[in-house]
Amino acid sequence: GESVGLHLPTLSVQEGDNSIINCAYSNSASDYFIWYKQESGKGPQFIIDIRSNMDKRQGQRVTVLLNKTVKHLSLQIAATQPGDSAVYFCAESYRTGGFKTIFGAGTRLFVKA
Amino acid sequence: KAGVTQTPRYLIKTRGQQVTLSCSPISGHRSVSWYQQTPGQGLQFLFEYFSETQRNKGNFPGRFSGRQFSNSRSEMNVSTLELGDSALYLCASGQGFRDTQYFGPGTRLTVL
Repeated sequence: GESVGLHLPTLSVQEGDNSIINCAYSNSASDYFIWYKQESGKGPQFIIDIRSNMDKRQGQRVTVLLNKTVKHLSLQIAATQPGDSAVYFCAESYRTGGFKTIFGAGTRLFVKA
Repeated sequence: KAGVTQTPRYLIKTRGQQVTLSCSPISGHRSVSWYQQTPGQGLQFLFEYFSETQRNKGNFPGRFSGRQFSNSRSEMNVSTLELGDSALYLCASGQGFRDTQYFGPGTRLTVL
């Protein structure tokens, strides 16, 4: 498949373990944050989002934590499965006329069976 | 509902040519954003349209342009192609302001 990034940080976890993917964002004016998953040859797929008035949000097997003090975002995946293997991007969004979304470099997650 | 569709999926052009890429958003979505994805630069924002108006633009040269039609479909155009324009061009649609964006599969452009 197509590579979305040749020199991405990589996280390797055992199937069934929990995964934590971290992201530092840059703009203190950002007030909306999103995590995307991108599999080889596909466009990014929305996983979960969080607004700046929250510090935690849970979805199905995923949790996003937001620490505005240190401008840090994390994605926790419970009971990681082989199908979770992909590149994960965090994105921050802020108002500037309309809104602008800036993506992080991505983290490649490998799940070992 | 059908997802975001992009055409063509693959394109090969030579330097100096121009190219037009098309994006059909999810039915009912009025916002369309375009991104360029390369291994070296990652995902970079190109522009965003809402109700036929460009609301935001990224830091790309004027060779990159776009437009949105009354049915929310969008096109982007790249003129005078350069080798560095080779990339995956992604389109994302949303219902409105600051809504979740849903991405299409992308158009893989190769410039020779």
